[in-house]
Amino acid sequence: KAGVTQTPRYLIKTRGQQVTLSCSPISGHRSVSWYQQTPGQGLQFLFEYFSETQRNKGNFPGRFSGRQFSNSRSEMNVSTLELGDSALYLCASSLTADEKLFFGSGTQLSVL
Amino acid sequence: GENVEQHPSTLSVQEGDSAVIKCTYSDSASNYFPWYKQELGKGPQLIIDIRSNVGEKKDQRIAVTLNKTAKHFSLHITETQPEDSAVYFCAASNPLRNAGNMLTFGGGTRLMVKP
Repeated sequence: KAGVTQTPRYLIKTRGQQVTLSCSPISGHRSVSWYQQTPGQGLQFLFEYFSETQRNKGNFPGRFSGRQFSNSRSEMNVSTLELGDSALYLCASSLTADEKLFFGSGTQLSVL
Repeated sequence: GENVEQHPSTLSVQEGDSAVIKCTYSDSASNYFPWYKQELGKGPQLIIDIRSNVGEKKDQRIAVTLNKTAKHFSLHITETQPEDSAVYFCAASNPLRNAGNMLTFGGGTRLMVKP
């Protein structure tokens, strides 16, 4: 059974640009969550989607947004990139709420 | 909101010894506590989890204990091996209250197992 797939694996952008990251959950999983991982702040929750609806949102500015498609695949978008947005962005999927969370390998975003 | 603290931040043990990592949480309503292992260049991998209706859970060399009164839980790894070297994260959540999976993570523990 394939795991959570995130693309691209690495990304380099400059300040002010925008970026879109993609996540394909484990087959059959309907919940997709996004986390940001940095050396300074650790792992922080961004948002969670279930059946194309955002169910929870973390304390991030509105520049961070996401969506989920009918096939459960998800994308997150960061607009007007800042240097501090450089991080590993992790996607995780689960069958439903109250289920185990399985993470992908992440997209390493560098903002120059 | 929930706050999870994890100690120690680094832990070095000799192969074959035991390793213990401790976490405390602030929200008494949290009822789900997973542990993740993250190796270099990879995402966190779930290694064991426990729910609040259980005090202890074991899976081969790994065990987790939970003390709801004191609001702390611990990861125990016995007979450590070099391949156990990684960063370990604890987390807490209340799936029913949040109507979803919203984990609050501890700061992580870098475990080094010396051969």
